[in-house]
Amino acid sequence: SYEMTQPLSVSVALGQTARITCGGNNIANRNVHWYQQKPGQAPVLVIYKHSNRPSGIPERFSGSNSGNTATLTISRAQAGDEADYYCQVWDNSAVVFGGGTKLTVL
Amino acid sequence: QVQLVQSGGEVKKPGASVKVSCKTSGYTFSTYGITWVRRAPGQGLEWIGWISTYNSNMDYAQRLQGRVTMTTDASTSTAYMELRSLRSDDTAMYYCARHTVTLGFDYWGQGTLVTVSS
Repeated sequence: SYEMTQPLSVSVALGQTARITCGGNNIANRNVHWYQQKPGQAPVLVIYKHSNRPSGIPERFSGSNSGNTATLTISRAQAGDEADYYCQVWDNSAVVFGGGTKLTVL
Repeated sequence: QVQLVQSGGEVKKPGASVKVSCKTSGYTFSTYGITWVRRAPGQGLEWIGWISTYNSNMDYAQRLQGRVTMTTDASTSTAYMELRSLRSDDTAMYYCARHTVTLGFDYWGQGTLVTVSS
């Protein structure tokens, strides 16, 4: 089955740019979606199909996907961006999540 | 507006079953699938399975096959997830989400806490 690897944690200074990676074999050939989950809340879709933002998601959130790595980029990081972030793809008819990355804004 | 509203929290003993509901509104039920996901304490998101609200096709995570059943009721736009033979490691927050393959899981329920304890 398909597997994706995310760093356990990423730290970013307030106002700087955070990059969260999701590694997988030829992941560029798959539609990658990204979710943000804050404590006590349901996940929220922040990027779909590599680089598209749902309505209501700030332009500070962007995505890219090339080769074996998909990347979620959060520009001008804010304290409210502290959360767990997950990448997700479909593998045939199954859903696969990355292990998740905890983003800390310093 | 699109809403997915889940049933309330449950406390179950090991070996028991639990059935969680997910009542949808604000869109045509049959045009989106429903996926179920859980998050155990200290763990990441885990996919449980999905069901098509159009033709009831479904797929379950291999490690839960044989213990999970998903159903839908189009008359009430509600999806259900039943998990049997509960174990302590099934303790988790359970979520339903609306999905399409290309657009991701764009709306989620608020979550249902299932606690398995003797």
